[in-house]
Amino acid sequence: EDQVTQSPEALRLQEGESSSLNCSYTVSGLRGLFWYRQDPGKGPEFLFTLYSAGEEKEKERLKATLTKKESFLHITAPKPEDSATYLCAVQVRTSGSRLTFGEGTQLTVNP
Amino acid sequence: GAVVSQHPSRVICKSGTSVKIECRSLDFQATTMFWYRQFPKQSLMLMATSNEGSKATYEQGVEKDKFLINHASLTLSTLTVTSAHPEDSSFYICSAPAASGTDTQYFGPGTRLTVL
Repeated sequence: EDQVTQSPEALRLQEGESSSLNCSYTVSGLRGLFWYRQDPGKGPEFLFTLYSAGEEKEKERLKATLTKKESFLHITAPKPEDSATYLCAVQVRTSGSRLTFGEGTQLTVNP
Repeated sequence: GAVVSQHPSRVICKSGTSVKIECRSLDFQATTMFWYRQFPKQSLMLMATSNEGSKATYEQGVEKDKFLINHASLTLSTLTVTSAHPEDSSFYICSAPAASGTDTQYFGPGTRLTVL
C-alpha cells in the first residue's frame, strides 16, 4: 500500500528562521511527487513537481528536493505570509493521475 | 497556472436533501477531473475520478449511489450528494490536470457543505 508521511505535524517559526519540512514515501513505482500549499478554507495551490532523485526546484523562499525515500521543502527566511498548511502528494505509475496525500504540515511564521 | 472554479463555495442544506456542486476548468479542457473530501484538520481523500463521456471511478468505500458524478463536457464535472446527512458535512474539492499527458493537477477553491 502506498504511504505518504509528513513531519512535523505542526511547526512554529520566527520570521527569518529557516527550516525544512519532510515528506517520506513508500510507493510501488514513483511517477511524481507534488508539493501544495493550502490556506484555511481554500483549495490547494500548486508549488512543485519532482520526478527523480536528486531533482531540486525553487520558487522564491521555497526549495523542494527529492531522494528515493523522501522529499524536503526548505523554507529560507520565512515571512508571516508563508503561514499555511503544506501538503505533499505522490503519484504512482500504476495509478494513472491519482494523487495520494500526506497529512500535511501546518506552518506558522510569527512576526 | 490553470484555473479551476467551483460553485457554490458554501452551501447549507437540510438532512435528506440533495446538493449539486459544480467544478469547471476555466481556461483548459479536462477529460478527467478528481473529487476529494477533506474533514477538519485532515488531509485530502480522493473520492472518485470523473471521466468525460464515461462512468466515474469511485475509490473503495465511497458509495457511488450517494455521490453521483457527471462529467457533462470537457470543462464541467458535477458532484451531487444525494439524501445528505450531517456526516456528509465536509469540504469538497475538485481538481484537474492542466493538459493532457501532464501530471500536475490544479485544484478548485473548494465547497463547504453543511448538512443540518
